Amino acid sequence: DTGVSQNPRHKITKRGQNVTFRCDPISEHNRLYWYRQTLGQGPEFLTYFQNEAQLEKSRLLSDRFSAERPKGSFSTLEIQRTEQGDSAMYLCASSQGQGAFYEQYFGPGTRLTVT
Amino acid sequence: SQQGEEDPQALSIQEGENATMNCSYKTSINNLQWYRQNSGRGLVHLILIRSNEREKHSGRLRVTLDTSKKSSSLLITASRAADTASYFCATYFGNEKLTFGTGTRLTIIP
Repeated sequence: DTGVSQNPRHKITKRGQNVTFRCDPISEHNRLYWYRQTLGQGPEFLTYFQNEAQLEKSRLLSDRFSAERPKGSFSTLEIQRTEQGDSAMYLCASSQGQGAFYEQYFGPGTRLTVT
Repeated sequence: SQQGEEDPQALSIQEGENATMNCSYKTSINNLQWYRQNSGRGLVHLILIRSNEREKHSGRLRVTLDTSKKSSSLLITASRAADTASYFCATYFGNEKLTFGTGTRLTIIP
């Protein structure tokens, strides 16, 4: 399967711990996006990369959150000092070009539960 | 914050019937997209309609866009049990991010 993959699929952590999620986009896609989705809501944009450059970050992305895409391929999203409010589904998507013309392909998500 | 609002929030219909859901948004857009989400396949892109288009078809799906009313509708014809899912509209403003609505939960009753 050459779709977007995310690992882990589920993560349970205690408040205050750090967690890191990984996203592997479709190989020829140069754009990569992170979204967060809480129960009963649509996904909310967090940040996006064009190749290795992080070009936009949402106000939702507090200083406890950091994302990287070191070689323009896979990406990681780290949350430091997790809080219960961070519990959500974290979705990664990739696209082969500008959003005006190309759809975004989403991965299955990582469900984070902070206890 | 959510840009779009889907209506209704939930919809249950008999298999074989048509399902219509609506999306309203607040600001001018470049394009509007519909996505489906279920537990089995995650979030899947259904159709993209550009701001200069009024109607688009894809298989059993028909999407309309009225930019003067800032609204769109998704029609699914001859519904099947596999169409049971949440449906989201997402708007694109040209800043490389999609802004999703709150979704319509569609249940198809066999």
